Amino acid sequence: DAGVIQSPRHEVTEMGQEVTLRCKPISGHNSLFWYRQTMMRGLELLIYFNNNVPIDDSGMPEDRFSAKMPNASFSTLKIQPSEPRDSAVYFCASSNRDRQYFGPGTRLTVL
Amino acid sequence: GDSVTQMEGPVTLSEEAFLTINCTYTATGYPSLFWYVQYPGEGLQLLLKATKADDKGSNKGFEATYRKETTSFHLEKGSVQVSDSAVYFCALSVQGGYNKLIFGAGTRLAVHP
Repeated sequence: DAGVIQSPRHEVTEMGQEVTLRCKPISGHNSLFWYRQTMMRGLELLIYFNNNVPIDDSGMPEDRFSAKMPNASFSTLKIQPSEPRDSAVYFCASSNRDRQYFGPGTRLTVL
Repeated sequence: GDSVTQMEGPVTLSEEAFLTINCTYTATGYPSLFWYVQYPGEGLQLLLKATKADDKGSNKGFEATYRKETTSFHLEKGSVQVSDSAVYFCALSVQGGYNKLIFGAGTRLAVHP
């Protein structure tokens, strides 16, 4: 298996632009998690899905952030409009039991 | 609510030194416990796990024992290498939580030759 796939690996954008991060979970996994990692705040859970249904989005920082999972093999995290403070590494992870498998992350820089 | 507390870093050691990274937890029920490792520029990956009290997880020379009486899961290695330099995260599973994990803040380990 290729593992969790995230794209793009790096994204540089200007403040106010829309950013879409993509994630393909491991086939057969029924849970998907989006995390954000920064030096200041560490690793934060933003939202997670089970069987494509959002279970808890209490970690989403603002209404500018939204996430979807239209099917079992694809999820997006969108930021609109982006701000410099959104600069971070965003990780997607999937799971079919209590172990989570992390993707390589997307490094987002908002100028 | 459930939480994980781990020792603050950075931890700086010389090669072949003994490593301990402390981790304690608060949880309802009987969670599984994990250590994840993050190498520079990569995502987190599972290092070891234990699913019940007194279980010992081990991998790559690292060990941790699930201690229910002290609610701890300390990570140890007898002889660290430069290649062990990374950030280590302790985590617990949330029962009935759709495979959700609660992570500690992470401990950075730097090993020098």
